[in-house]
Amino acid sequence: DGGITQSPKYLFRKEGQNVTLSCEQNLNHDAMYWYRQDPGQGLRLIYYSQIVNDFQKGDIAEGYSVSREKKESFPLTVTSAQKNPTAFYLCASSTLPRNEQYFGPGTRLTVT
Amino acid sequence: GENVEQHPSTLSVQEGDSAVIKCTYSDSASNYFPWYKQELGKGPQLIIDIRSNVGEKKDQRIAVTLNKTAKHFSLHITETQPEDSAVYFCADPMDTGRRALTFGSGTRLQVQP
Repeated sequence: DGGITQSPKYLFRKEGQNVTLSCEQNLNHDAMYWYRQDPGQGLRLIYYSQIVNDFQKGDIAEGYSVSREKKESFPLTVTSAQKNPTAFYLCASSTLPRNEQYFGPGTRLTVT
Repeated sequence: GENVEQHPSTLSVQEGDSAVIKCTYSDSASNYFPWYKQELGKGPQLIIDIRSNVGEKKDQRIAVTLNKTAKHFSLHITETQPEDSAVYFCADPMDTGRRALTFGSGTRLQVQP
């Protein structure tokens, strides 16, 4: 998992509540990413950021928000607008222009 | 449809045999092709990658081959061991401008002891 930490490993929330997932990296990487993984499926891109104070929507950004106030941190908020928030969330980082992405251990979010 | 197609979805081999997983991409401008291994409940781990200026790259028991004409790249694992059992994903940058990967649907490899 390199120098990327995600916390907590497991997270439980009630429907209708916003929840923020933490992602920190000490690799001095420029870019950071959030992916969602559903059981038995691949990874889908939620948001990504190539530089501090800037980020772009990925393929499934609806119901999510992010911030990039520091190079090493890229928190993801799952809002109540996300229809099916229960999933495994993975954070990654990479240097630019080489796009070798390294992943954190993931956070499994369960919303009931 | 998918822009990165990965086959097979499941693969079972006997310990010591070879395993091959193939991915097909659509964007001829793609120039970076990584492979990831994901163990149960963990984040994916980058195991090998290849850039478009070479046709093959090896690292001990694993290798990746790239066929730019046919737009496919493959992961080869030789002398498989039970600890190779995992889900393997290929990825493609797709849009090099956004520098984000698009992942294949994954291959579950089971190595039978």
